[in-house]
Amino acid sequence: DQQVKQNSPSLSVQEGRISILNCDYTNSMFDYFLWYKKYPAEGPTFLISISSIKDKNEDGRFTVFLNKSAKHLSLHIVPSQPGDSAVYFCAAMETSGSRLTFGEGTQLTVNP
Amino acid sequence: GAVVSQHPSWVICKSGTSVKIECRSLDFQATTMFWYRQFPKQSLMLMATSNEGSKATYEQGVEKDKFLINHASLTLSTLTVTSAHPEDSSFYICSAGGLAGGPWREQFFGPGTRLTVL
Repeated sequence: DQQVKQNSPSLSVQEGRISILNCDYTNSMFDYFLWYKKYPAEGPTFLISISSIKDKNEDGRFTVFLNKSAKHLSLHIVPSQPGDSAVYFCAAMETSGSRLTFGEGTQLTVNP
Repeated sequence: GAVVSQHPSWVICKSGTSVKIECRSLDFQATTMFWYRQFPKQSLMLMATSNEGSKATYEQGVEKDKFLINHASLTLSTLTVTSAHPEDSSFYICSAGGLAGGPWREQFFGPGTRLTVL
């Protein structure tokens, strides 16, 4: 039962353009969402998070949007840079817990 | 801040032997540490959650007698893969969370350990 899904295994964009990575979830008890960036053979690096009481959180080039009614969140990166090329995981956490449930990841490639 | 280290970063062992992986929070004390496993091109799967001084909580399907977790202090957790078999070959990643006074709902990940069982 995949409670967090990233339906696009890969995404390719041109440098300078916007990258939009999507994530859907099914568990209505999730109330905190995080995005991580991961390079091969390395641990994930925290990027940005959002609480369910918000619908948007912005940090520099990264913005996360949350649509609770649709159980959907997205990560926008603008402008995209070649160094952003990595696998991006969304993750979710329940109200009462501390465990993270991860999506399958999306490989982002930013072409110069 | 919030640096997590793992040792070793890469280990090869023979089938039937045991391997210990260490996870340390270097500049903070974490109330909770987590162990994940990632197979190639797949997501991170939580194996177990451990709190300092108490028994680990294992996810469904994870054999607690095979994957021994010890969380002796607020800065150190160990995962021992006992009687390893080739199917245990994977990328093992730990994370630490529950920073006192900090962003307690965030987890900070170690660099991972690549285990290859021959």
